[in-house]
Amino acid sequence: AQTVTQSQPEMSVQEAETVTLSCTYDTSESDYYLFWYKQPPSRQMILVIRQEAYKQQNATENRFSVNFQKAAKSFSLKISDSQLGDAAMYFCAGAGGSEKLVFGKGTKLTVNP
Amino acid sequence: SQTIHQWPATLVQPVGSPLSLECTVEGTSNPNLYWYRQAAGRGLQLLFYSVGIGQISSEVPQNLSASRPQDRQFILSSKKLLLSDSGFYLCAWSVGVGANVLTFGAGSRLTVL
Repeated sequence: AQTVTQSQPEMSVQEAETVTLSCTYDTSESDYYLFWYKQPPSRQMILVIRQEAYKQQNATENRFSVNFQKAAKSFSLKISDSQLGDAAMYFCAGAGGSEKLVFGKGTKLTVNP
Repeated sequence: SQTIHQWPATLVQPVGSPLSLECTVEGTSNPNLYWYRQAAGRGLQLLFYSVGIGQISSEVPQNLSASRPQDRQFILSSKKLLLSDSGFYLCAWSVGVGANVLTFGAGSRLTVL
């Protein structure tokens, strides 16, 4: 992806509730990949989930799922049953098949007990 | 299994001093290697990437340079640090570009005084 935009600098959610983090992207590539990375207070970047653009089915990893709207160029992350350990910065990122990864500016997620 | 090591974890340097941050990857051959910088409140900015020994591409003009003296070693350097070089530096590796997942090191916090 050539540009990745995260319009929510901060979000908060109550423990056990569901939260959705937004991401839009723009690319001229027909073959591309989208990712969500998590950066907890330790600052270690961790892959949360990955979506191939050619796949119509939304990716799911346990409590994490994406809503991939290709026509709208939207790639949101849904966290279900939020846990205190989900508190982190979340970065949306994308790349075309031969491109390097481009990151959004991140969304800080706070989980309230 | 593959692991990535990055050091030092924390560094405080005076303006005008040199810099050397090191990154090594174990358990894989011919990885793509990356240096990112994360300034406070901002996303990840790709500084350099390398697809092989001695092959370095710079993404942004800056006071920094990178070298890859060995297949799995990536070094970020500066001859004279500026205040604006302060930030959190992340090394990462992948197999190829685009579709492939970036795996990050634990990061290096640089403070230039």
